[in-house]
Amino acid sequence: DAGVIQSPRHEVTEMGQEVTLRCKPISGHNSLFWYRQTMMRGLELLIYFNNNVPIDDSGMPEDRFSAKMPNASFSTLKIQPSEPRDSAVYFCASMRESSEKLFFGSGTQLSVL
Amino acid sequence: GENVEQHPSTLSVQEGDSAVIKCTYSDSASNYFPWYKQELGKRPQLIIDIRSNVGEKKDQRIAVTLNKTAKHFSLHITETQPEDSAVYFCAARNQGGKLIFGQGTELSVKP
Repeated sequence: DAGVIQSPRHEVTEMGQEVTLRCKPISGHNSLFWYRQTMMRGLELLIYFNNNVPIDDSGMPEDRFSAKMPNASFSTLKIQPSEPRDSAVYFCASMRESSEKLFFGSGTQLSVL
Repeated sequence: GENVEQHPSTLSVQEGDSAVIKCTYSDSASNYFPWYKQELGKRPQLIIDIRSNVGEKKDQRIAVTLNKTAKHFSLHITETQPEDSAVYFCAARNQGGKLIFGQGTELSVKP
């Protein structure tokens, strides 16, 4: 089992650029979560999907953020345009709904200059 | 909205001592309470969890207790070791599936 796979591991970009973060959940997991981690705010839930359908996106900061899950094995989180305050570690996590145990990917360290 | 409060934010203990971290939650419908350990630069990893129909669970040196009436739960680590040093997060999930994390506790175990 390869675990939750995120790419890229690190992303450095300039303010105003579009950023796309990618996630492959563990095979067989039907729920997927995107979290953002900063020193100030800790682990914030941005959005989560169940069976590829967005269930709650109330944590998405603003319209610059969007997330999609076109199929059970892939999700993206997009920021357009990016701003310096978006700099954080973005984690994707997945779980099998029946087990409730959430497994995290290695995260993407985003730096917006 | 849902909220999870975690205390203390930092905790320093001597090797061999016990460490206790406490969390409270606001949504009485919450029914699942995991604890995660995050080492520097790594991903959060699940170390123990408890469901609302259980009051206490133990796994070797780690135990978690839950008081549903008071809406609080605690992590207990006994015989702490330097490798226990990390940031620990509590979390609570409501029936809608949303998992909300506490702010984290930075545990330092001094040899």
